[in-house]
Amino acid sequence: DSGVTQTPKHLITATGQRVTLRCSPRSGDLSVYWYQQSLDQGLQFLIQYYNGEERAKGNILERFSAQQFPDLHSELNLSSLELGDSALYFCASSPPSRGNTEAFFGQGTRLTVV
Amino acid sequence: AQSVTQLGSHVSVSEGALVLLRCNYSSSVPPYLFWYVQYPNQGLQLLLKYTSAATLVKGINGFEAEFKKSETSFHLTKPSAHMRDAAEYFCAVSENRDDKIIFGKGTRLHILP
Repeated sequence: DSGVTQTPKHLITATGQRVTLRCSPRSGDLSVYWYQQSLDQGLQFLIQYYNGEERAKGNILERFSAQQFPDLHSELNLSSLELGDSALYFCASSPPSRGNTEAFFGQGTRLTVV
Repeated sequence: AQSVTQLGSHVSVSEGALVLLRCNYSSSVPPYLFWYVQYPNQGLQLLLKYTSAATLVKGINGFEAEFKKSETSFHLTKPSAHMRDAAEYFCAVSENRDDKIIFGKGTRLHILP
């Protein structure tokens, strides 16, 4: 158990809908990362938050947004869902450092858009 | 910007044979490098990491990796493969100016009996 909790584990929804994925980082970790894993694109970095502020942005679509709350949990919002958004979405967290520490991954949320 | 290239999306080795998974990185500053493993239906877990203390890094489950600056490589090896090593392996890089971790596309390791 990495200490990172993601909910829900599975989500099935229809095209055009909006969903929210939730992540609770490890105690003491300030950074939260979101990744999308699909068969054709591999593991894609979406966005990173550090202590409530956006720190880095990757290949995140405009239909997607994220935020990190004062209690450091994070939510990833996916809207106007398309079939191609079906993927495994991972959250990871890491303690405050300057790059020399690893990220700890949750078990992921499997999103299926039908 | 940093990036990682993993050569070979699939690698097959026989049980007991040497495992070699290749990773090359690109970074404008001294990098931190990681190898992660993902077993089916699970999240990623850290195998080992390089943070400039030693160029040969030993990790869990008998894996090790060597940082070669001249070749910008961080290949993962294991002397003798086990069936339980069948998984997907990801190389990753980060830089000391931020915490962003960038992953390669992954290499799926198949172990042949």
